[in-house]
Amino acid sequence: GAGVSQSPSNKVTEKGKDVELRCDPISGHTALYWYRQSLGQGLEFLIYFQGNSAPDKSGLPSDRFSAERTGGSVSTLTIQRTQQEDSAVYLCASSSDSPSYEQYFGPGTRLTVT
Amino acid sequence: AQKITQTQPGMFVQEKEAVTLDCTYDTSDQSYGLFWYKQPSSGEMIFLIYQGSYDEQNATEGRYSLNFQKARKSANLVISASQLGDSAMYFCAMRELQYNQGGKLIFGQGTELSVKP
Repeated sequence: GAGVSQSPSNKVTEKGKDVELRCDPISGHTALYWYRQSLGQGLEFLIYFQGNSAPDKSGLPSDRFSAERTGGSVSTLTIQRTQQEDSAVYLCASSSDSPSYEQYFGPGTRLTVT
Repeated sequence: AQKITQTQPGMFVQEKEAVTLDCTYDTSDQSYGLFWYKQPSSGEMIFLIYQGSYDEQNATEGRYSLNFQKARKSANLVISASQLGDSAMYFCAMRELQYNQGGKLIFGQGTELSVKP
C-alpha cells in the first residue's frame, strides 16, 4: 500500500515568513509523529498525535511551531515567523496498533530559510 | 531521561562480511522498545528491526539481527553478508512503552556504514 507522503519535498522561504508542511500518514494508522533532522541537532522529536487524545507537544522548540491533525488523518506543521535555525529536514511518521508500534517515515520536507 | 549512544560515527566493512554497529541506551523505565533504522543517501528512514525489553530472544529480520544485552543496556545491530546497498546511515532509537500505545522515539547520533567492494 501507499506509504507516508509529505509535501512539499522542498521549501525555500525568507526569514520571517510562515510555512506549512503537510503529512499524509499510512491509511489506518492511528498515531502520527513529526521529527526534525538537522546537522547540528540530529533527529529531534517535535509532536505526536494518538487517536483522539491530546497531542504530546513536548518537543516543539518554541511557540512559533504548531501542528494539527484533521479527521485523524492528515497533519499540518506550521512554523510562524521562520528563522534561519529552522532550516532542517522535517520528517513525518505514522504507526499502527501493532505490538511494536514501529514508525514508518515519509520522505521529508527540506526547509531552507534564507 | 532516556538517552541513546552510538559511539561509531563511521564504519567500513568489506562486501560479504558481517558488521556490528554499536548502540547503548540509558533509561529508568522497565518497559521500552529498541529500534534500528537505515537512512540511505536518498534520505528516507527505513525501519529495520525491533526488540522489546521483555523479549527474551534476540530479534532477527533476514540479514539483520539485534544483539540485545539488557544488563549491559546494549542493543547492537549485526548485519550479515554485507552488500553494497547496505551503505547508509544507521540510527538506533528507543521508545518508552506505555498504555499499549505508541510514543516518541529518541534517536542516537547515527553510524555511517560504508561497504567496500
